[in-house]
Amino acid sequence: NAGVMQNPRHLVRRRGQEARLRCSPMKGHSHVYWYRQLPEEGLKFMVYLQKENIIDESGMPKERFSAEFPKEGPSILRIQQVVRGDSAAYFCASSPDLSPLHFGNGTRLTVT
Amino acid sequence: DQQVKQNSPSLSVQEGRISILNCDYTNSMFDYFLWYKKYPAEGPTFLISISSIKDKNEDGRFTVFLNKSAKHLSLHIVPSQPGDSAVYFCAASYFSGGSARQLTFGSGTQLTVLP
Repeated sequence: NAGVMQNPRHLVRRRGQEARLRCSPMKGHSHVYWYRQLPEEGLKFMVYLQKENIIDESGMPKERFSAEFPKEGPSILRIQQVVRGDSAAYFCASSPDLSPLHFGNGTRLTVT
Repeated sequence: DQQVKQNSPSLSVQEGRISILNCDYTNSMFDYFLWYKKYPAEGPTFLISISSIKDKNEDGRFTVFLNKSAKHLSLHIVPSQPGDSAVYFCAASYFSGGSARQLTFGSGTQLTVLP
């Protein structure tokens, strides 16, 4: 049973470009969470999705950030017009219900 | 506003001895607590959890203690092994209807087990 798959592992973008981060949850998991880890900090909740629905986006910045989890395919975290402060590790996690979350290995975004 | 705090950024322990990692929280609504271990360039790996109806949970070398009155939990690793060297994150959650179980993480403690 493959774990949570995130790609790309590393992403470099220039300021003003768009970043797309993909997450395929574990098989059978319909709950997806995105977390962001800034340098020297813990993981911060961004958004919680179920298939085709955003359940809780209270941790998402109001502008430039969006997330989706379509009926088919991976969950996508999209950052438009990236700025240097968006540089971070972005982790996706999935769960079948309320049990402990299983995390992917993250996407390290660097904005130059 | 840090609702989950890990006040020790680092801890060094000799192999074979006990490692004790501490975590404090402020939100009295938290009712489920977890510890994760994280190696560099990897995602967090779930270690052990505890519900607020318990004060202790044990799994092999790992034991988590919860003191609700003090809003404090700790992770004990006995005996410590060099492979335990990693960053340990404390996390807490509560069920809030549609938000299910989003986790609030502490900032982590780097554990180094010296051979």
